[in-house]
Amino acid sequence: DAGVIQSPRHEVTEMGQEVTLRCKPISGHNSLFWYRQTMMRGLELLIYFNNNVPIDDSGMPEDRFSAKMPNASFSTLKIQPSEPRDSAVYFCASSFRDPTYEQYFGPGTRLTVT
Amino acid sequence: ILNVEQSPQSLHVQEGDSTNFTCSFPSSNFYALHWYRWETAKSPEALFVMTLNGDEKKKGRISATLNTKEGYSYLYIKGSQPEDSATYLCAFGGYQKVTFGTGTKLQVIP
Repeated sequence: DAGVIQSPRHEVTEMGQEVTLRCKPISGHNSLFWYRQTMMRGLELLIYFNNNVPIDDSGMPEDRFSAKMPNASFSTLKIQPSEPRDSAVYFCASSFRDPTYEQYFGPGTRLTVT
Repeated sequence: ILNVEQSPQSLHVQEGDSTNFTCSFPSSNFYALHWYRWETAKSPEALFVMTLNGDEKKKGRISATLNTKEGYSYLYIKGSQPEDSATYLCAFGGYQKVTFGTGTKLQVIP
């Protein structure tokens, strides 16, 4: 298996633009997680899906952030409109069933909002 | 908000030294405790998943223990090597919930 795939790997955009990050989990994994890494807060969980259903979105910063998982092999994280404080590395991870199983992380998307 | 705390925040050791660090977590609604190794400019990689009180896991020179009654886990590295330099994260897995600690950054000096 290729592991968790994220795209793009790097994204530079201007403030106010819409940004869409993409993730393909490992085949057969039922849980998908979106994280944000910042210097101040470390690794923050944004949202967790199980069987394509959002289970915990308490970490989503505000209404500008939205996440979808239309099927078992694809998820998106959208920021609209983007702001400079959204600049961070965004990781997607998947696990076999639920948070008791180890997570496999993608390579991350480095987002820079100018 | 779940408190998952790791200590120390950072650590410098000489090559060959053994070291350990701590993860503290809530003792209620416990399902699993994970340890991850996170090298700079890479993604976190799972080291261990522990689910039972008293669990001990070992991988090479790295081992971990779990005490769910008092809410702590220790990670041990025996004979540290420069390639062990990384941030070590623990994560508390509750019911449909996972919370990461802020990590212990280990620097092994050759």
